[in-house]
Amino acid sequence: QKEVEQNSGPLSVPEGAIASLNCTYSDRGSQSFFWYRQYSGKSPELIMFIYSNGDKEDGRFTAQLNKASQYVSLLIRDSQPSDSATYLCAVARGNTGGFKTIFGAGTRLFVKA
Amino acid sequence: ETGVTQTPRHLVMGMTNKKSLKCEQHLGHNAMYWYKQSAKKPLELMFVYNFKEQTENNSVPSRFSPECPNSSHLFLHLHTLQPEDSALYLCASSRGVESEQYFGPGTRLTVT
Repeated sequence: QKEVEQNSGPLSVPEGAIASLNCTYSDRGSQSFFWYRQYSGKSPELIMFIYSNGDKEDGRFTAQLNKASQYVSLLIRDSQPSDSATYLCAVARGNTGGFKTIFGAGTRLFVKA
Repeated sequence: ETGVTQTPRHLVMGMTNKKSLKCEQHLGHNAMYWYKQSAKKPLELMFVYNFKEQTENNSVPSRFSPECPNSSHLFLHLHTLQPEDSALYLCASSRGVESEQYFGPGTRLTVT
């Protein structure tokens, strides 16, 4: 089992719809959770981070964390073609001597105009 | 300059060359990272430095040699690389190793 798992996609949604991206993780001791967006040929860009159970909203983006079920999700409302990218989930967990951040393989999102 | 910068942005080198990649962060962060991203593959963590000390070496071949002279600068020294080392090399920094990471634009490396 991978430490951080994401559906590779592609996830295709029409413009204006809600895109729902999911991520599961294996270490119950994980404490910090991040979502990054990566356009083709570019570097990852931080979208949101979440530390506590529940929802966190920032503009069109909402991160949802459920530690009991070990999943974190990202909702994108009013999806735009410019949202088409790969979305990376990352999880920071305790490690010998500190913390370690593990990245998922990413989900490709395609928003159709 | 703001954020995380990387130079060069593109590099073509032969298998017998020696070159270095440079990363600089202007965010006052304490941790810095090197990642490798091959075409259509996930990010691979290579090295982690926290307060200038190496805390992670993810079984990286010795032909990659990192150097972190201070918390703002990180280098990756390259020698006798293989064609399969061609990839996008990304540098990142964070306030602490548990915090969100900010990435530089990357160096696109081609080994011929």
